Amino acid sequence: ELKVEQNPLFLSMQEGKNYTIYCNYSTTSDRLYWYRQDPGKSLESLFVLLSNGAVKQEGRLMASLDTKARLSTLHITAAVHDLSATYFCAVDTGGAGGTSYGKLTFGQGTILTVHP
Amino acid sequence: GAGVSQSPSNKVTEKGKDVELRCDPISGHTALYWYRQRLGQGLEFLIYFQGNSAPDKSGLPSDRFSAERTGESVSTLTIQRTQQEDSAVYLCASSLYPKGELFFGEGSRLTVL
Repeated sequence: ELKVEQNPLFLSMQEGKNYTIYCNYSTTSDRLYWYRQDPGKSLESLFVLLSNGAVKQEGRLMASLDTKARLSTLHITAAVHDLSATYFCAVDTGGAGGTSYGKLTFGQGTILTVHP
Repeated sequence: GAGVSQSPSNKVTEKGKDVELRCDPISGHTALYWYRQRLGQGLEFLIYFQGNSAPDKSGLPSDRFSAERTGESVSTLTIQRTQQEDSAVYLCASSLYPKGELFFGEGSRLTVL
């Protein structure tokens, strides 16, 4: 059974600090997603990582993928309050019988709180 | 509309009643997904539709759950004889093609008393 584990599950940061969220998964996959969810809202796609060594950056967030280690990281640089949200990684494991579609298995989520 | 639309946004029901949740995907999106999010947890895959192909129902937790989609339009998720453990947010997503980026709706929050 595929497992996707995020670490930490709760993260309290001061503004201006850096930190990294880790996402480990237990099977091979050809793509990994990072999503942001604000309370009571739906999921917003942040990054799609498609290959080993892929790195993507948007503002204060940078995501990377190491398919050999089955590990993705989401690095936060100089955190600001607006980044407070829950962050999910999700691994695309395809469909039943090897069919090719975006069936995602999600991690538990990391609740990030940024305070002054 | 521009995004995935779901209704109702909130539903409170009594144990044993049937509920129906609706999803209107982004126009032109061929793939449609239902996920469930229990409080404080990640999303669980329920079912996937692609065009007129047979759906992948492998994530449905029991035979009380069923879903339909006509062509590439609206989908309904039906939960029969609801139980308290069915309480969750049910999220629908659509994508332009099977491996495309998923766009999520805001979800239907179901509370079973």
